[in-house]
Amino acid sequence: AQKITQTQPGMFVQEKEAVTLDCTYDTSDQSYGLFWYKQPSSGEMIFLIYQGSYDEQNATEGRYSLNFQKARKSANLVISASQLGDSAMYFCAMTSFARQLTFGSGTQLTVLP
Amino acid sequence: DSGVTQTPKHLITATGQRVTLRCSPRSGDLSVYWYQQSLDQGLQFLIQYYNGEERAKGNILERFSAQQFPDLHSELNLSSLELGDSALYFCASSVEGGRGAFFGQGTRLTVV
Repeated sequence: AQKITQTQPGMFVQEKEAVTLDCTYDTSDQSYGLFWYKQPSSGEMIFLIYQGSYDEQNATEGRYSLNFQKARKSANLVISASQLGDSAMYFCAMTSFARQLTFGSGTQLTVLP
Repeated sequence: DSGVTQTPKHLITATGQRVTLRCSPRSGDLSVYWYQQSLDQGLQFLIQYYNGEERAKGNILERFSAQQFPDLHSELNLSSLELGDSALYFCASSVEGGRGAFFGQGTRLTVV
């Protein structure tokens, strides 16, 4: 069974600062994928970034980067230069062999002006 | 825009009724997943279809069923609705071995 743990129910960050959202995972599969999604108050689920278990480089997508530490089973999301529009719920998720995503409980990020 | 289309966006219905939620996946995606998001249960996987065939089943109630049609759109049928079925229902699609699952905007179901 796969499990995702997000230990920060809520986080605050000042506008223009960087913030790290924590995610740890547990799986017995050797090949897997890790994802981050953003869910604003409007409700849609927006795909942000993906990291494959065999990818040697940390994934980056614009202001988002994924700090992948395989031995520690962690996949933290780093948002650089936070913007007010980044205020949302953030979910870490994983899958393997094209099975369904397993989600964490989410972190509510609030960006302060 | 993720390319996944869900209809309707909002649905209000009474207990005991039956509703159908519809999902059109991204062009070329063969896999469709249904998820339920409620305040107390978080995001729960319901069921996956791949190219018309059921591939995986999660915490889907017997009152719920789904299917994927030859044109790859999918429908989730919810019957004998209860107050506790009120939730946001998401459809997602992905290519085989893809590096992401893309979600529709969700259907917000309210059972009164």
